Amino acid sequence: DAGVIQSPRHEVTEMGQEVTLRCKPISGHDYLFWYRQTMMRGLELLIYFNNNVPIDDSGMPEDRFSAKMPNASFSTLKIQPSEPRDSAVYFCASSLIAGGSYEQYFGPGTRLTVT
Amino acid sequence: RKEVEQDPGPFNVPEGATVAFNCTYSNSASQSFFWYRQDCRKEPKLLMSVYSSGNEDGRFTAQLNRASQYISLLIRDSKLSDSATYLCVVALYGQNFVFGPGTRLSVLP
Repeated sequence: DAGVIQSPRHEVTEMGQEVTLRCKPISGHDYLFWYRQTMMRGLELLIYFNNNVPIDDSGMPEDRFSAKMPNASFSTLKIQPSEPRDSAVYFCASSLIAGGSYEQYFGPGTRLTVT
Repeated sequence: RKEVEQDPGPFNVPEGATVAFNCTYSNSASQSFFWYRQDCRKEPKLLMSVYSSGNEDGRFTAQLNRASQYISLLIRDSKLSDSATYLCVVALYGQNFVFGPGTRLSVLP
């Protein structure tokens, strides 16, 4: 299995630009998560989906952030317009609730720098 | 008070040492507990789940004390490859994970 795939791995953009991060979860998984990690705030859950439906977006920092999951194998996290304080590593994770296992499998992350 | 708090690091220990990490959580209704490991500039990976009765996986032992809202991780006979950041994770319900800030461990030769 290829694991969770994220693209791009690195993104450098200027303030005010739109940024789109992409994620392909592990095939067959029914949950997908977007996290953000910074030195100051640690790892924070932004939003998660179950069967492509957003379940909890209370972690999304503000209206500049949006996430979609048009099908079971693809999700995007969009920031528009981007700001320097959005610089962070963004992780996507997926899981399958089966047999009581709650393990979340993380992708390698996208390192975003907004200048 | 933060939802999940951990020992501040870093912990620098010699190979073969035993090291213990502590974690406290604020919501007594929390249902699930885990330890994740994160290597430098890598993604977090599940180390072990934490069960009420305590559980062991090789050199690693996890304990949960619901009354004190406290979780621990014990690493015996530490190896150089154990050097990483250890993240305590608490879920109030389902998949809504709250990660602690992490404790960094360096095992020295």
